[in-house]
Amino acid sequence: QQQVKQSPQSLIVQKGGISIINCAYENTAFDYFPWYQQFPGKGPALLIAIRPDVSEKKEGRFTISFNKSAKQFSLHIMDSQPGDSATYFCAASGDTGFQKLVFGTGTRLLVSP
Amino acid sequence: DAGVIQSPRHEVTEMGQEVTLRCKPISGHDYLFWYRQTMMRGLELLIYFNNNVPIDDSGMPEDRFSAKMPNASFSTLKIQPSEPRDSAVYFCASRKTGAVNTEAFFGQGTRLTVV
Repeated sequence: QQQVKQSPQSLIVQKGGISIINCAYENTAFDYFPWYQQFPGKGPALLIAIRPDVSEKKEGRFTISFNKSAKQFSLHIMDSQPGDSATYFCAASGDTGFQKLVFGTGTRLLVSP
Repeated sequence: DAGVIQSPRHEVTEMGQEVTLRCKPISGHDYLFWYRQTMMRGLELLIYFNNNVPIDDSGMPEDRFSAKMPNASFSTLKIQPSEPRDSAVYFCASRKTGAVNTEAFFGQGTRLTVV
């Protein structure tokens, strides 16, 4: 129940295309859903995050879509660029009693020029 | 603030040796997390602390692993004895609780190779 399932494992998108990564969770105590971006040799860094009181959050080319009833959330990268090539992790945690971030297994994104 | 600082960045050791990884969290952060990252298993939470107290160590793989946080600015993860299957990148992260969930900041990681 503490797992976050992420798909796909890897993704190749052409420059200018839309990258979509999906995650699903079971624990209804989760109420914070961040996405982390990791470049080779670096630690994960927060990209964008959402709370379940909204269904969508957009920051530049990055959008999180959230479906509370389905317990699913996804990351959309519009106009994907080669510089977006990285590994993306979804995660979830709770406000009280469950402060640890549980991560998905990661998606390796390659944006071809 | 310099961010979460981990040392060493790289560690190569022989099987059976003791390995100590170090972490300095961001000042003022009250949560500290140790993660292990491998190709096969992704990011695994090993243990986390709140106000220097271990809260959940269920992710620690076995008794060879131990972690301490003697004060708010320092934590160690020790492996004794080390085994080749411990080879991975170990990340430390810290986070500050507040009125709403806040970002967890990761260090650069320690790449451990056990030969």
